[in-house]
Amino acid sequence: AQSVTQLGSHVSVSEGALVLLRCNYSSSVPPYLFWYVQYPNQGLQLLLKYTSAATLVKGINGFEAEFKKSETSFHLTKPSAHMSDAAEYFCAVSSSGGSYIPTFGRGTSLIVHP
Amino acid sequence: GAGVSQSPSNKVTEKGKDVELRCDPISGHTALYWYRQRLGQGLEFLIYFQGNSAPDKSGLPSDRFSAERTGESVSTLTIQRTQQEDSAVYLCASSYAGGGTEAFFGQGTRLTVV
Repeated sequence: AQSVTQLGSHVSVSEGALVLLRCNYSSSVPPYLFWYVQYPNQGLQLLLKYTSAATLVKGINGFEAEFKKSETSFHLTKPSAHMSDAAEYFCAVSSSGGSYIPTFGRGTSLIVHP
Repeated sequence: GAGVSQSPSNKVTEKGKDVELRCDPISGHTALYWYRQRLGQGLEFLIYFQGNSAPDKSGLPSDRFSAERTGESVSTLTIQRTQQEDSAVYLCASSYAGGGTEAFFGQGTRLTVV
């Protein structure tokens, strides 16, 4: 079985501030982990993914995430928020325990204030 | 095509009518997924197709929901006798087979049952 928990349905930051979106996963076997972004009225777009190569993963638009097995976490960060980062962010896990079907978290809405 | 294509983009239907949603995956992608996204909610898994294997229907919420896929191409999701609680965005995604591969999403079909 596999699951994802995203802490905080909404995160509000000022432009230029650090962005931290939290994701914890549960998986009985080694997982693959993903962060997707969804802009209004659009489908989901991959930001980055962890596939057991490097624990610190860099993605598009300056985002990165660190896989911490001991904490079962995969938090998403960006050093400096832009107004254009305002969107919905989804963490997802897939594994052999779930037939590699991605399971998504409930999402975190990032609000960026000028 | 260049990406996952879904049609129609919007569908308004009367309660009790049947609807059919279409998904054209990326050429060469053997895996295809349908998800449902209710307003302000995360992605709810519906059904998964992988090559010629029997589909994983474990996420279908009721027997009013069904889906088909022709080989490794087009898929249709059918909802019979629609109810107001079926109102949601239905997202289709496709990917190459195997763990750790990225799912590419279409823009979704927004279904409104009135």
